[in-house]
Amino acid sequence: QLQLQESGPGLVKPSETLSLTCTVSGGSVSNTNYYWGWIRQPPGKGLEWIGSIYYNGNTYYNPSLKSRVTMSVDTSKNQFSLKLSSVTAADTAVYYCARHLGGIFSGPNYWGQGTLVTVSS
Amino acid sequence: QSVLTQPPSASGTPGQRVTISCSGSSSNIGSNYGYWYQQVPGTAPKLLIYRNNERPSGVPDRFSGSKSGTSASLAISGLRSEDEADYYCAGWDDSLSGWVFGGGTKLTVL
Repeated sequence: QLQLQESGPGLVKPSETLSLTCTVSGGSVSNTNYYWGWIRQPPGKGLEWIGSIYYNGNTYYNPSLKSRVTMSVDTSKNQFSLKLSSVTAADTAVYYCARHLGGIFSGPNYWGQGTLVTVSS
Repeated sequence: QSVLTQPPSASGTPGQRVTISCSGSSSNIGSNYGYWYQQVPGTAPKLLIYRNNERPSGVPDRFSGSKSGTSASLAISGLRSEDEADYYCAGWDDSLSGWVFGGGTKLTVL
């Protein structure tokens, strides 16, 4: 059974860079059939897609976050990662990693449990 | 302001049928598949409907999806107390080259 687990600091200072890693078990990030993505949810609000990455490093980013987002994949560790720079309080959210049903045009189906990241000094 | 528009709330009594709408545009729902997610507060979203009307294995057939033009709909029949959750529609947007979500609909089972 595919499982995804987010990890990273739960508290980040304003203007710093948020860094999260998603560890995949029961499957491989090298599988050519799937994209892997990040979605976030501010407290009490809706879902926002951050971006998605393919095993070869091909990425799609949310245009509203593109200037601050970097995603990468580490096939040797079966992980993929998210970096969001110059964070503000508005970036406080639960961050989910997920696997798409297939290519980029198919939605996420497997989700991690999510990790709360708070931006505060 | 979400790209996809959903009513903020919906309600029904046990056994009833409820429908949740999702209004988009020609660049998302109008030209791509609609997806629906169920989220019980405090947990990760769960895929309910993909490619407009397909159900993943394990999702009861009480849940059904449809699409007409630039709108998608989720119908829940035989409403149960455990269906009380937030529901989100989603789709690929060609103009944004990215995934967009609706603002979510909170379903209350009275």
